Order: sequence, then structure tokens, then C-alpha cells
Amino acid sequence: GNSVTQMEGPVTLSEEAFLTINCTYTATGYPSLFWYVQYPGEGLQLLLKATKADDKGSNKGFEATYRKETTSFHLEKGSVQVSDSAVYFCALPPGRGSQGNLIFGKGTKLSVKP
Amino acid sequence: DAGITQSPRHKVTETGTPVTLRCHQTENHRYMYWYRQDPGHGLRLIHYSYGVKDTDKGEVSDGYSVSRSKTEDFLLTLESATSSQTSVYFCAISEALGYTFGSGTRLTVV
Repeated sequence: GNSVTQMEGPVTLSEEAFLTINCTYTATGYPSLFWYVQYPGEGLQLLLKATKADDKGSNKGFEATYRKETTSFHLEKGSVQVSDSAVYFCALPPGRGSQGNLIFGKGTKLSVKP
Repeated sequence: DAGITQSPRHKVTETGTPVTLRCHQTENHRYMYWYRQDPGHGLRLIHYSYGVKDTDKGEVSDGYSVSRSKTEDFLLTLESATSSQTSVYFCAISEALGYTFGSGTRLTVV
């Protein structure tokens, strides 16, 4: 089945710094790719997604480009804010014959300091 | 918005007791899922349902059972709680624009 690997955290940045969280995947075919965000004490929320190769997903200043050549879907933001402090998860469908809905990376905790 | 409600939000229970967590949705979605979230493991699928009375096991189903007698409710039962089941449990549904999660149930087994 499909799998995803994302960089381990925690990541600590100062406000207005540039953010990159790496995510690489192994998959059969070209499944949709997702980034979810989890704010403290809450469930996961869809941040952005890309449905095919070379697509760029974007939301709230975050971007990620679906790159089939490098099997990557790195999350980026040009200028982070304190309110971006959260845990970020990369995810993709499990693939044919596999169970369930989405496979998640282990999460990367981001802390942004003022 | 899918309108997913999980109950209870927090629970402390003793080892060996049965525990049932409830997930309720308001928009008739067919697919519902239970995940657990643990440090260092991310989210792992426990069980999922693809319709009333139609359920299947996920990655970490041992010690858990589920039931779905109505479209709107998906119940997760720990038959005999153990300390290893201390976790945060999330219910989710899939819909056209993506996947929506509930706010979670924090379960502590002492």
C-alpha cells in the first residue's frame, strides 16, 4: 500500500520566518495528496490538497506542490505567524486493496515565537 | 459543514472496564472512521464503516469493536480497557471536499 514520511519536529521559528515541512510519499499511481492541521485541543482540519501531479494546493498563505519526480509534497509558507503554531500532517489514500480512508504521517509540531 | 459530534470529550476509566465512545453526524455520510492519535505514531485507523451494519477493521483493531445501527451514529467500544488504550480518539467522515474530523475524545485508562 501507499505510505508517507514527513520530517520530524518539533520545528521552532520566529514570527515572519520562512517555513518548510518536508513530506515524501510512496504510492501506486498518482493519488491525491493532503495537508491537515491540528490546533491545540482540536481535531484535524484540511489545510490544502492537490489532486494530480504538478498541482499546487494553497490556503491561508500555505502552499504545497505535488511533485511526481521527487515524490514530494512539501508544505511552505513565506512568513509564519504565532497563530500558525499547530501540528501539521501529510496524508494520502491507502491505495487499492488497503483499508480505511487516509494514511497520515506522524505529524510535525510547529511553534512560532513572537 | 459535516456536523460531527463526539462524546464524551474526556473520560477516565479503570483497567478492565468496558467503554463506549460515540460519534454522531448530521448529514447522512456513508463512510465513517475511528482513529487513535498517539505521540510518535500520528493517527492510526482502528475501524471504519461504509454503511449501516457494514464495518471493517483498520490497522490497530485489536481490543476494539464498532457498531453502526443508524447512518448517523458510529460507536467504538473498548471491550476491556487497558492502559495501552489511553489515547485521543478521533472520528471522521469523508465527503466531497475532503475529510472532516470530530474534536476528539481524550480517554485515560488507569
